[in-house]
Amino acid sequence: EDQVTQSPEALRLQEGESSSLNCSYTVSGLRGLFWYRQDPGKGPEFLFTLYSAGEEKEKERLKATLTKKESFLHITAPKPEDSATYLCAVQAQAGTALIFGKGTTLSVSS
Amino acid sequence: GAVVSQHPSWVICKSGTSVKIECRSLDFQATTMFWYRQFPKQSLMLMATSNEGSKATYEQGVEKDKFLINHASLTLSTLTVTSAHPEDSSFYICSARLTGGYQPQHFGDGTRLSIL
Repeated sequence: EDQVTQSPEALRLQEGESSSLNCSYTVSGLRGLFWYRQDPGKGPEFLFTLYSAGEEKEKERLKATLTKKESFLHITAPKPEDSATYLCAVQAQAGTALIFGKGTTLSVSS
Repeated sequence: GAVVSQHPSWVICKSGTSVKIECRSLDFQATTMFWYRQFPKQSLMLMATSNEGSKATYEQGVEKDKFLINHASLTLSTLTVTSAHPEDSSFYICSARLTGGYQPQHFGDGTRLSIL
């Protein structure tokens, strides 16, 4: 069964304290892995797409990496405005629907 | 680019009424749109996949007569919650995907539905 697991469920950081979020997946043929940011009461905002192992994408303080079993979202020197829930989703070979993880809720305090 | 607009953002209505939610792709054409439901502190649960000009594909356990989906054009899909009851109260989110390859889905800002 295709599955996406994100860890930790919640993460509290001090401003400037770098860390990483994990997304482990088991799918029958990965076609794409997607990272989203979701603020309370809003829809998910697209961050990155990764298609193959070894691929990396960067945007401001965020960097996403992909291996054959997991993806990491690295946050460098986070700021309070980076506080949000980060969702990981995969698209498997067989279908078109995204399979979402439960998300990691990040809180950054100043 | 890739902006998805969803309306209304919040609706409160009485039990038994029907509620229509619109999802529009503003700057791109979307042959496929998706409807999700999200419970508090939970991830997104796919309800149905909507393809322009054809019937929607519903996920297992989702009542197609309760949740009517219409995708009449390449930029508009609607979700109608018929004869809504308090248990239908939730956060509904739509998304649209650009055509070609394995493109990401772009999401609207969701609709908070409260049935009294």
